[in-house]
Amino acid sequence: DTEVTQTPKHLVMGMTNKKSLKCEQHMGHRAMYWYKQKAKKPPELMFVYSYEKLSINESVPSRFSPECPNSSLLNLHLHALQPEDSALYLCASSQGRTGQRKNYGYTFGSGTRLTVV
Amino acid sequence: GNSVTQMEGPVTLSEEAFLTINCTYTATGYPSLFWYVQYPGEGLQLLLKATKADDKGSNKGFEATYRKETTSFHLEKGSVQVSDSAVYFCALSPYGGATNKLIFGTGTLLAVQP
Repeated sequence: DTEVTQTPKHLVMGMTNKKSLKCEQHMGHRAMYWYKQKAKKPPELMFVYSYEKLSINESVPSRFSPECPNSSLLNLHLHALQPEDSALYLCASSQGRTGQRKNYGYTFGSGTRLTVV
Repeated sequence: GNSVTQMEGPVTLSEEAFLTINCTYTATGYPSLFWYVQYPGEGLQLLLKATKADDKGSNKGFEATYRKETTSFHLEKGSVQVSDSAVYFCALSPYGGATNKLIFGTGTLLAVQP
């Protein structure tokens, strides 16, 4: 299995809703990531998990709450979002731990297209 | 600091034309370098990579060579197809950094016309 699976593919939510995005991989990767991508822009890093521990939070607002229940799963809990949070949310994984000398690349999921109304 | 600069798009080519998308980088040490491709409505796919100077990454007819002397990693393909139409991102990961963070260029939209 060489895939990162994200669900749902599309999500429309109101500003008072609570929802979660899910990400799963079975490649034995121990680093997992959440990225946000606005239209016609490159992905922006949000969070990094290494060995199920949060290692980087790129100053993301608290209305986004990541969770890594085990080495294969990564969630992003959403609460009280704003319309400007509408974007494509990408999950990715990579081999090894953060801080290793060489990065052999990420495997990305197809993303969840989120619309906040 | 670490950064990636890509040529501005869009790049419009006819089928079977030669493709070059320029990418230069700024980084200390020996970063790993990548090209990712994003087809409309999809996530990013790793197209090719190089982890040390003079390495050539290749995949699906695309090639890029890690040139430390010119800090470049230009993407080339000898004969593009309509199915190659997508956004291409050059990216780097700093050597021995505190994370495996990927630093992306702004992306280059390629449109191939039949």
